[in-house]
Amino acid sequence: DTEVTQTPKHLVMGMTNKKSLKCEQHMGHRAMYWYKQKAKKPPELMFVYSYEKLSINESVPSRFSPECPNSSLLNLHLHALQPEDSALYLCASSRQGGDTGELFFGEGSRLTVL
Amino acid sequence: RKEVEQDPGPFNVPEGATVAFNCTYSNSASQSFFWYRQDCRKEPKLLMSVYSSGNEDGRFTAQLNRASQYISLLIRDSKLSDSATYLCVVNTDKLIFGTGTRLQVFP
Repeated sequence: DTEVTQTPKHLVMGMTNKKSLKCEQHMGHRAMYWYKQKAKKPPELMFVYSYEKLSINESVPSRFSPECPNSSLLNLHLHALQPEDSALYLCASSRQGGDTGELFFGEGSRLTVL
Repeated sequence: RKEVEQDPGPFNVPEGATVAFNCTYSNSASQSFFWYRQDCRKEPKLLMSVYSSGNEDGRFTAQLNRASQYISLLIRDSKLSDSATYLCVVNTDKLIFGTGTRLQVFP
């Protein structure tokens, strides 16, 4: 079982809805990540939080808004999404701030935008 | 040229076979290298790190060739449970995932 917990596992939303994805880890990791993965494609980095500060934003559209309330929690707020935003959204954590390569992924939140 | 390239496969091999995957990377300043495994509709999981001297973990052997800028993964005595997509990951100033190589082991 993964030690990174994501909720919800599945989400269907309309283009005018506002929703949030949540991620939690209790491994004492100091970096947390959001990745987006489309079918048969590799994960694409969206955001990195290192020691609770946003350190990387991969030019993600503003309809995706990350939030890191504390070192264990990471949220992704969604607003006015497009159907092409439908994907698996993966949260990950790593021990140190910044990328070390040893990422622990959650099971993902599968998002469908109608 | 993509930053990290892999043959997408699929590689279809019988149980007990030895199979090897390669991955090439374009940035010579890349610092560290990894293989991840992703099962269908599951999250990626770290399989092993790749060290300059090469490293082995049971049936799995990873090699790094900095001069030619590629890493490899060798799986010996393939099991049905090895069927998955194998993702090459390269760390420059951020982690870059390759497109993955799909392996299907058949009885």
